[in-house]
Amino acid sequence: DTQMTQSPSTVSADVGDTVTITCRASQNIDSWLAWYQQRLGSVPKLLIYKASTLESGVPSRFSGSGSGTEFTLTITSLQPDDFATYYCQQYYSYWAFGQGTKVEI
Amino acid sequence: EVQLVESGGGLVQPGGSLRLSCAASGFTVSSLYMSWVRQAPGKGLECVSVIYSGGSTYYADSVKGRFIISTDNSKNTAYLQMNSLRAEDTAVYYCARSKSARFEDRAFDIWGQGTKVTVSS
Repeated sequence: DTQMTQSPSTVSADVGDTVTITCRASQNIDSWLAWYQQRLGSVPKLLIYKASTLESGVPSRFSGSGSGTEFTLTITSLQPDDFATYYCQQYYSYWAFGQGTKVEI
Repeated sequence: EVQLVESGGGLVQPGGSLRLSCAASGFTVSSLYMSWVRQAPGKGLECVSVIYSGGSTYYADSVKGRFIISTDNSKNTAYLQMNSLRAEDTAVYYCARSKSARFEDRAFDIWGQGTKVTVSS
């Protein structure tokens, strides 16, 4: 099974900051990686798929990069709505999520 | 409008069974990957089962042999039959669909609101 590991587990930031979250796969997953945002008490929301393709309606301050085993999600000019937990997910070999990264004030 | 609505959650004793339903609107369940993703209290997301390509299925090791995923095209609904339930199956269960049937679009773009399952005596 392909395991996904995110770092850090928690990141503290302020409005206007740039935040970078890393996701590592235990084996090569090409570019078959998605990023999700889950606000407290809400349903997960797809932000990025195919490692760097922005889902329709998602603000351009979100960006993704990487291929193979290492990927990053970058949020520039952090907004109040962005304080949430972010999950990566590989869909190369079935499906598996990372453990999540909480972005807090 | 594209929408997924789950139902069927509740309180069940260890060893019991429950069937979750996911009613879809705005698309056909048989045309995409349909999944069940769960989230235990205070924990992360776990993809427990997916059905695709006319009946192929995936199960996480944690539920293999106990859970069964299926779809009813006449009702445009996906189901998760959960048997031999354990305390560790306690979670909110979300239904989610893939963006398309293509390999590169197997991320989940539409999610239901979730249904809560509690396994306790």
